Parts: sequence; structure tokens; C-alpha cells
Amino acid sequence: SQQGEEDPQALSIQEGENATMNCSYKTSINNLQWYRQNSGRGLVHLILIRSNEREKHSGRLRVTLDTSKKSSSLLITASRAADTASYFCAFYSGAGSYQLTFGKGTKLSVIP
Amino acid sequence: GAGVSQSPSNKVTEKGKDVELRCDPISGHTALYWYRQSLGQGLEFLIYFQGNSAPDKSGLPSDRFSAERTGGSVSTLTIQRTQQEDSAVYLCASSYREGPYEAFFGQGTRLTVV
Repeated sequence: SQQGEEDPQALSIQEGENATMNCSYKTSINNLQWYRQNSGRGLVHLILIRSNEREKHSGRLRVTLDTSKKSSSLLITASRAADTASYFCAFYSGAGSYQLTFGKGTKLSVIP
Repeated sequence: GAGVSQSPSNKVTEKGKDVELRCDPISGHTALYWYRQSLGQGLEFLIYFQGNSAPDKSGLPSDRFSAERTGGSVSTLTIQRTQQEDSAVYLCASSYREGPYEAFFGQGTRLTVV
């Protein structure tokens, strides 16, 4: 399977703490994206990092990418209760593949 | 419309019946994806359309599943002879094209087969 793997599967933290989620994949990629899903419905795009980038920031989000280890991490700083959601990494596989593949997700709970 | 629209939002059907799920992508988006998500699980790729190219059907779980995209816009996912294991949320997404572009998702159709 080309599917990515996130860990942990579930994460519970106190409001104000940082949350780190990891994603590993098996194929070569041209970019990796992170999405958030509330209440099991539509996903919302958070951030995209290209294969030639190592780190990217957007507000309280920080994403890293290590193509040698085929892994990425998403850090949410100063978490809020509203950050409670499931987070998924997604990527287009190698040349000739336009299938946008998603990981299994990390369920984040931020306790007020 | 401003976003991806899916209909119906919820569908309850009897085992053995056929169902059609509709997706209206964002205007101008040439790439369209269908995914299935079972309760508490990740997204399972079903099918991908890109412009006038032949669709990538590699994720369809059986020949009971089919999809079409008319005029490069609206897409319909059809499930024939539904079974209880087909119960899931079916998500549609579109993007400007394949590659380094974000995908925009609809709110999904929750299908329950009883």
C-alpha cells in the first residue's frame, strides 16, 4: 500500500501545550500536504511542503520534511481547544502518479 | 458556488439497492477525486479524474462501484447492489490540477446501508 502512516494515532494535550504529529511514507514524493478534519466530514488544507524544502511555517503550524527518512512532522504550537480534530498527511506519489494518498490520521484532543 | 458541493448529505438505503452520489467541483478545477472513509478510519482512494484523460480507477473496491464525470465538471459515484460494508462517508475533492496544488473537499455524503 502507498498509504502514509501517522503517529501517534491519538494525542491528548492541555490547552497551551505543543502538539507534534508524524507522518511516514514509502514512495518518492514531489510534495507533502497536511489536512485537518473536524467531525468526520470535509477536510481542510493546512500547509504544503515541497520535496526540496526542509521546513515551512504558517501561523502556529510548523512542518518539517526529511526525504531521506521519508518522514514529515506537523507541530502545532500553543494549542487551543479549537485545534481538536483529526490531522492527515497527504502526498502525490512518484512520477506518473496523480493519486493523492492520505495517511491514517492522528486524532488530536486539546483539553481546555 | 464557492466550494465543492456534494449531495445528498446523508443517504439511507436498503441492502441491494443502487445509489448515486453527486459531486460538483469548484469551477475551473480539472482534477477530481473520490474517497471513502469508514468510521474512525483514514481516507481510502477510490477514483481520480483529470481533464479528458482516462480516469484512474485503481481504488474502486469492486465492479459494483463506478463513477463518471460529465463535461469535465459534475461527477457521479454509483454503487450498485449496496451492501452493509459500503456504509461510510464518501468524500469528493477537486484541485486546480494534479501536482503541488491543494485539494478542496466537499462535506461528504454519509451512506448508511440497512
